[in-house]
Amino acid sequence: GESVGLHLPTLSVQEGDNSIINCAYSNSASDYFIWYKQESGKGPQFIIDIRSNMDKRQGQRVTVLLNKTVKHLSLQIAATQPGDSAVYFCAARPTNDYKLSFGAGTTVTVRA
Amino acid sequence: DTGVSQDPRHKITKRGQNVTFRCDPISEHNRLYWYRQTLGQGPEFLTYFQNEAQLEKSRLLSDRFSAERPKGSFSTLEIQRTEQGDSAMYLCASSLMFRWVGSEQFFGPGTRLTVL
Repeated sequence: GESVGLHLPTLSVQEGDNSIINCAYSNSASDYFIWYKQESGKGPQFIIDIRSNMDKRQGQRVTVLLNKTVKHLSLQIAATQPGDSAVYFCAARPTNDYKLSFGAGTTVTVRA
Repeated sequence: DTGVSQDPRHKITKRGQNVTFRCDPISEHNRLYWYRQTLGQGPEFLTYFQNEAQLEKSRLLSDRFSAERPKGSFSTLEIQRTEQGDSAMYLCASSLMFRWVGSEQFFGPGTRLTVL
């Protein structure tokens, strides 16, 4: 099976700075990765995904980097805003599978 | 708003009682998933439907749990003889599988269950 883990359980960031959240996975067969944001009392919200044939993908203020050699991915948030305060999860699965394996989550707190 | 809705949002019950939760997926999505999330942890897969067929159940889903998706649209998750260890957030997600390519899973707001 897949084991997904985040490197830091909490991250405190000054408003306007960039945030980097790191995640490691164990299953070499995992080739689809997703970052979710979860605010208090809500379900996980899709942020960005990346497939294993890519090593970088950019969205609006977010960038995901994938290093398959060391089984590591990261989420970078540019110019962090108060609304970015939430718990962030990385999730992984093989392309022909449907179950997502989630890490434990990193709580991001944005300081004004 | 992801379009996946769940009802109720909160449920408090006494140990030993039965509870049922409902999930309405995004209308065109043919896949529906149930996950369980405990405090401080990421969601854990419970079960999954392709249309009305339940194709896999996790070992986390004991005999007291049953899920249905009778018409391939909404789904229900029932827990019989609830135990305090069942207290968690129960999340539903849906996705579209088309020509062997799956879309990302969209999650509902969850049902928070508290068993006293």
